Amino acid sequence: GAGVSQTPSNKVTEKGKYVELRCDPISGHTALYWYRQSLGQGPEFLIYFQGTGAADDSGLPNDRFFAVRPEGSVSTLKIQRTERGDSAVYLCASSRGTGGRETQYFGPGTRLLVL
Amino acid sequence: QKEVEQNSGPLSVPEGAIASLNCTYSDRGSQSFFWYRQYSGKSPELIMSIYSNGDKEDGRFTAQLNKASQYVSLLIRDSQPSDSATYLCAVNLGGTGGFKTIFGAGTRLFVKA
Repeated sequence: GAGVSQTPSNKVTEKGKYVELRCDPISGHTALYWYRQSLGQGPEFLIYFQGTGAADDSGLPNDRFFAVRPEGSVSTLKIQRTERGDSAVYLCASSRGTGGRETQYFGPGTRLLVL
Repeated sequence: QKEVEQNSGPLSVPEGAIASLNCTYSDRGSQSFFWYRQYSGKSPELIMSIYSNGDKEDGRFTAQLNKASQYVSLLIRDSQPSDSATYLCAVNLGGTGGFKTIFGAGTRLFVKA
């Protein structure tokens, strides 16, 4: 079966530009997570959705970051006025639920480079 | 700040040896604990989960949890070169933490043939 997919796989942009990163979760998975991973670090929690609503967005670093999941499936992470410090791999994961014991399945990530 | 701490490594072991990876966490309300393996340039994949104190074995892997000490470990028996990867400890904070999952920085493991 299809796993979690993310597009684009790589994104190069200039400082100050706007970017959108897309995540398509495993079919039927109600929970969706966004993480950011810098070199040599573990995934850093950004936000997760249960259905269409953001259940916890406490990891979003500032108001330049925003994520949506309007129909409870595909999610888009939006970054405004990108900065060089935003360069990282953005990982999306999905799970069947959010009871705390659910396995999270990760997508391949989007490598974002802000010049 | 909810923290998950791991030895950064790298940890180097000979083929066939036991590799021991350790992790501590700060939030006593944490309920679920996971070990993910991440190959270079790839995304994390789950190898073990543990929820209760004690040991849990799955093939060559054994996860150990001690909630009183806020400590979780992963043992890899008969280590193989293909086990060379970064191992991420992850902790789910449970209901009081909004079921958020926090990852450690990972331990790099090298298994020498």
